[in-house]
Amino acid sequence: DVKVTQSSRYLVKRTGEKVFLECVQDMDHENMFWYRQDPGLGLRLIYFSYDVKMKEKGDIPEGYSVSREKKERFSLILESASTNQTSMYLCASDRAGGPRETQYFGPGTRLLVL
Amino acid sequence: DAKTTQPPSMDCAEGRAANLPCNHSTISGNEYVYWYRQIHSQGPQYIIHGLKNNETNEMASLIITEDRKSSTLILPHATLRDTAVYYCIVRDSNDYKLSFGAGTTVTVRA
Repeated sequence: DVKVTQSSRYLVKRTGEKVFLECVQDMDHENMFWYRQDPGLGLRLIYFSYDVKMKEKGDIPEGYSVSREKKERFSLILESASTNQTSMYLCASDRAGGPRETQYFGPGTRLLVL
Repeated sequence: DAKTTQPPSMDCAEGRAANLPCNHSTISGNEYVYWYRQIHSQGPQYIIHGLKNNETNEMASLIITEDRKSSTLILPHATLRDTAVYYCIVRDSNDYKLSFGAGTTVTVRA
């Protein structure tokens, strides 16, 4: 069974803090993704990575950066947290191979920025 | 996801089969139908996917019509833990990211 884990389920931070969200997958997947999910806005892609040290911007990359130093680990960094980054953050991974490959999600991190 | 249409909500009795419809009338030949569900405050959970043939796994069955314009997800014996939002998604080779629409909120009642 694929397992995608995220470092925290709930996180409370203050405005201006640097925030690190970690994601690890154990299925040797090439692709990893960071989404955020907000009521009424659905799922929005922040960044994705298709290989170690490779990254591509998604739909809403502003205010975020990512790091992928090892294949199994993909980190999302909020350089200076703001209240509008309060959200549910979801990490996902899949194998390179197009739409036949299933994308698996982690449990999510609910971030509150005060 | 503008490619699919689902009813906003449905109720189901515990122990009965739950049949969740999805309309994807503009689907093209190389697009897959995926189903995920999301229980409140958790990450989306993969259920099943298919291209043209019906599929079954330990969680559910997926019935795709012959013209592929619609599909039905069947949960054979619904339990209270199946209460969730269910998303039907159509993916093609250009869809590296997933787009969830509003989904169907399924409530299983005792």
